[in-house]
Amino acid sequence: KAGVTQTPRYLIKTRGQQVTLSCSPISGHRSVSWYQQTPGQGLQFLFEYFSETQRNKGNFPGRFSGRQFSNSRSEMNVSTLELGDSALYLCASSSLDRGRTDTQYFGPGTRLTVL
Amino acid sequence: GQSLEQPSEVTAVEGAIVQINCTYQTSGFYGLSWYQQHDGGAPTFLSYNALDGLEETGRFSSFLSRSDSYGYLLLQELQMKDSASYFCAVPDRDDKIIFGKGTRLHILP
Repeated sequence: KAGVTQTPRYLIKTRGQQVTLSCSPISGHRSVSWYQQTPGQGLQFLFEYFSETQRNKGNFPGRFSGRQFSNSRSEMNVSTLELGDSALYLCASSSLDRGRTDTQYFGPGTRLTVL
Repeated sequence: GQSLEQPSEVTAVEGAIVQINCTYQTSGFYGLSWYQQHDGGAPTFLSYNALDGLEETGRFSSFLSRSDSYGYLLLQELQMKDSASYFCAVPDRDDKIIFGKGTRLHILP
């Protein structure tokens, strides 16, 4: 099976702009989660989508949003970018075989730099 | 709230054994997982413990004590390629995955 893919891999934006990141999960996985990773804060949960519905949301401002399509592909959007949004954004998919959030399979991430 | 504590850095010698500890505080417990992340790479799953005791996968083992809210990852016969960051993670009662801040493992030749 192909792994989780994320596009783009690198992105440079300026403050105030908006950005959309894309994630394609492993085939058959219906759960997609997004994380922000920064050196000081580690991996922080943004949100999780399952069958096109947001199942969980982390403690991030409303500028961070996401969606999931019927083919399980997911996008996240960050509006009005701030310097502090510079981070590695990781997408992970899960099969939910155990009925709960299962092993997370991560994509390579999108490195976002906000200037 | 949920929190996980793990050391920020650990240093060990090639060929030796190293243990990375993780203590957690959660409302409800649904298992402890470990992930490895090399510089510039994505986190990859290493192991999962739902019950007390030791789980072994090759050179890596993971231990859990639910009564102590404690687990550890044991790496044996360390190799230079094991230099990476290691994260413990737990799902909370809402099924969000909470990650520790990671332990950076340095291996000396």
